[in-house]
Amino acid sequence: GQQVMQIPQYQHVQEGEDFTTYCNSSTTLSNIQWYKQRPGGHPVFLIQLVKSGEVKKQKRLTFQFGEAKKNSSLHITATQTTDVGTYFCAGPMASGSRLTFGEGTQLTVNP
Amino acid sequence: GAGVSQTPSNKVTEKGKYVELRCDPISGHTALYWYRQSLGQGPEFLIYFQGTGAADDSGLPNDRFFAVRPEGSVSTLKIQRTERGDSAVYLCASSSTMNTGELFFGEGSRLTVL
Repeated sequence: GQQVMQIPQYQHVQEGEDFTTYCNSSTTLSNIQWYKQRPGGHPVFLIQLVKSGEVKKQKRLTFQFGEAKKNSSLHITATQTTDVGTYFCAGPMASGSRLTFGEGTQLTVNP
Repeated sequence: GAGVSQTPSNKVTEKGKYVELRCDPISGHTALYWYRQSLGQGPEFLIYFQGTGAADDSGLPNDRFFAVRPEGSVSTLKIQRTERGDSAVYLCASSSTMNTGELFFGEGSRLTVL
C-alpha cells in the first residue's frame, strides 16, 4: 500500500548542532505536511508544502519539498532544548481525504 | 470551543467491554478525523468525516470499531468487545478544509484494555 517513510527513527544531538529528518513517499503527493509532537503531547501542525521544489523557512527550521513531490526534508539549524520532540511528515493518500503519517523522527537534544 | 476537545482523557477497561470516546471539534470545522497512535509510532488513520457522513472509513481495523457524527459536529468512536491490542491513544483532529488542510489535534484519549 501507499506509505510514507521517515529516517532516521531517532536522532540525538548536542545543543547547537544541526538536525535533519527525511521523508519519502511511495507515490507522488499533492502536498506534504509536517507536525511536531512534544513528549506526552499531541501533534501540532508546523507547515504545508505544495509546490515542486518548494522551500520554506520558519526561523531555524527549513522545510523542502522534492522536485518529484515524493520526498521532503526538515532541517533545524543550531538545535535548542525546546526542539525536543517527534517530527512527523504526512501526506494525502489515495482519494486525498486521508492524511498518512510517517513513523516520525524522535529528536533528543543534550544541553 | 477554542480547540479540539476529547473525553475521556484516560480510560481503563477490561477485555470484552464496550467503550465510547468522544470528540468535540473546533467550531465550524467540517472535516473530522480519528487516528490511533501506539507508543513510538506515527498516528494511524481510522476514519474521516466530512459533515455528518463518513467519507473514508477504510482505516477502521475491523467491525468492532464504529464512529458516528450525527449532527456534523461532535463525533463518537465506539469500540465493541475491546481487546488488549486496542490499547493506544486515540486522537481526534478537525480541519476547516475538505482536502487535507492543516489538522488540529485534540489531546487524545488514552485507552488501556486490561
